[in-house]
Amino acid sequence: NAGVTQTPKFRVLKTGQSMTLLCAQDMNHEYMYWYRQDPGMGLRLIHYSVGEGTTAKGEVPDGYNVSRLKKQNFLLGLESAAPSQTSVYFCASSPGTSWADTQYFGPGTRLTVL
Amino acid sequence: AQKVTQAQTEISVVEKEDVTLDCVYETRDTTYYLFWYKQPPSGELVFLIRRNSFDEQNEISGRYSWNFQKSTSSFNFTITASQVVDSAVYFCALSGGGNYNTDKLIFGTGTRLQVFP
Repeated sequence: NAGVTQTPKFRVLKTGQSMTLLCAQDMNHEYMYWYRQDPGMGLRLIHYSVGEGTTAKGEVPDGYNVSRLKKQNFLLGLESAAPSQTSVYFCASSPGTSWADTQYFGPGTRLTVL
Repeated sequence: AQKVTQAQTEISVVEKEDVTLDCVYETRDTTYYLFWYKQPPSGELVFLIRRNSFDEQNEISGRYSWNFQKSTSSFNFTITASQVVDSAVYFCALSGGGNYNTDKLIFGTGTRLQVFP
């Protein structure tokens, strides 16, 4: 049982390039989330999904898109990367039906945009 | 609006000292949930505890204990006899427990704990 995994672990992009971060979970969780972590700011929610085929915006969605084509996968896309998107990105999943449920996190992806 | 404040940015202790990490929250909800996560130097976020607003009993798990006080809106975390392996950033978080159209999980800015041998 791997839990939540993220690919890649590290990535360096040039401004304007695009990329996709992959999150996978094997716990059969319905709900999945993407956060970004910046120094001194804690974690901020980018987008989330309450089930296969659904997505919703979080606190800081601009510049990102997401897709949940399969229950176990949640993709985060950057269409035109900007230096302000340099951050550590975390994916999480939870089993239940509300924000009260515990979220389980992946190991993170460190992204640098030059 | 919900808010979580972790006023201690960084704490340094020597091994075997006890240390308390403070968490103060703001919410208008009567039902809410509080969490603590640990982020060791390796970077992953590890779930430690979840507590709902109706359960004010303190919790102890080994060297870890949590003190929940609604009267002061605090959910403090104490590590007894700290060890070097406790060195990490610790996050407190709050959710209203509502449906996905309303509440979110709000994180504090974290407290970095360094335990020196």
